[in-house]
Amino acid sequence: SYELTQPPSVSVSPGQTARITCSGDALPKQYASWLQQKPGQAPVLVIYKDSERPSGIPERFSGSSSGTTVTLTISGVQAEDEADYYCQSADSSGTYPHVVFGGGTKLTVL
Amino acid sequence: EVQLVESGGGLVQPGGSLRVSCAASGFTVRNNYMSWVRQAPGKGLEWVSVIYSGGYTYYADSVKGRFTISRDNSKNTLYLQMNSLRAEDTAVYYCAREITCGGDCYYFDYWGQGTLVTVSS
Repeated sequence: SYELTQPPSVSVSPGQTARITCSGDALPKQYASWLQQKPGQAPVLVIYKDSERPSGIPERFSGSSSGTTVTLTISGVQAEDEADYYCQSADSSGTYPHVVFGGGTKLTVL
Repeated sequence: EVQLVESGGGLVQPGGSLRVSCAASGFTVRNNYMSWVRQAPGKGLEWVSVIYSGGYTYYADSVKGRFTISRDNSKNTLYLQMNSLRAEDTAVYYCAREITCGGDCYYFDYWGQGTLVTVSS
């Protein structure tokens, strides 16, 4: 089955730049999105179509894509950005597009 | 304002059944793709099922044959009927609106707060 691979954890100091990667063989053919989840809360969409930012999401959140890897970049990290981040895409090789999530990355703000 | 409110979670014995609901407001469920996504305690997100605007339904292999997704257009509500429940089905169940922007683009723009389903004797 199709998998998206993320690092389990990333740590940065406040004000620095955090980069979280997500790798998958189908990413050159399928867009990816990124979700932020804080403890006890529902996920929140922060990036869609690789690099689009929904309204209300701070500009410090950005996304990019290169080959089989997509990257979420958080510039000028703030303490409130500490959360789990999940990439999401789809596997369209079957009879219907099958949504897939990465395993999640815990972002720690030191 | 778009809102999704889940309900119906609780404690159920292995082999039992439960139906969870997701009441939507601010948009029309029948005109959208709607999914259920679950999260086991301390684990990541797992897609469970989707119902397309045209009524087609699809399921993850882990729940196929046991779970049924449906909607009530008059109540603008999404459902997940869960039968033959197992301990490994224990999770917070979220409903989410799924956006498709072509055959190469699928993402979830709105999520409910989730409802906890615990399968235990």
